[in-house]
Amino acid sequence: QLQLQESGPGLVKPSETLSLTCTVSGGSISSSSSYWGWIRQPPGKGLEWIGSIYYSGSTYYNPSLKSRVTISVDTSKNQFSLKLSSVTAADTAVYYCARSSPLYSGTLFDLWGQGTLVTVSS
Amino acid sequence: DIQMTQSPSTLSASVGDRVTITCRASQSISSWLAWYQQKPGKAPKLLIYKASSLESGVPSRFSGSGSGTEFTLTISSLQPDDFATYYCQQYNSYTWTFGQGTKVEIK
Repeated sequence: QLQLQESGPGLVKPSETLSLTCTVSGGSISSSSSYWGWIRQPPGKGLEWIGSIYYSGSTYYNPSLKSRVTISVDTSKNQFSLKLSSVTAADTAVYYCARSSPLYSGTLFDLWGQGTLVTVSS
Repeated sequence: DIQMTQSPSTLSASVGDRVTITCRASQSISSWLAWYQQKPGKAPKLLIYKASSLESGVPSRFSGSGSGTEFTLTISSLQPDDFATYYCQQYNSYTWTFGQGTKVEIK
């Protein structure tokens, strides 16, 4: 049973870089031809897609965040990662990692991590 | 960029009611539309894919319809477990976008 787990600091200072990792267990990140994505949800607000990466390394970003976002994949560790630079309080949110399976043509997020709250504050 | 607009933002209903939520896309997305249910403190759960296909294990009281720019999620008879927030999500050209959500509350 494939599972996703987010990890990283829960508190980041303004202007610094937010770094999170998603560890995939129960299967290989590179064998399923899936896209792997990051989605965030500010407290009390809706869902926002941040970006996605194909297992081969091709990346796709939300245009509104593109200048600050880097997503990478480490197939040897079965992980993919998010870096968001120059954070402000507006980046405070629960961050989810998720899978877009080829069973659904990669068009949706069928498996999610539990989410991790990241607070931006000095 | 494709924008997704859900209506209403909040919906008050009673157990047994038929509930309909609408999602409109700013341009045609064919049928690449999914619906999710989210409960407080939990990750979203996939309900409907490709606009009208029911995800495995999801009760048949949930249904989806539409294509192009207008889509609906219908709950035929609202159950206590259905009080939650619902999101639509589109896919187009390697961009994934969510609607702003519809909260279904107890009347």
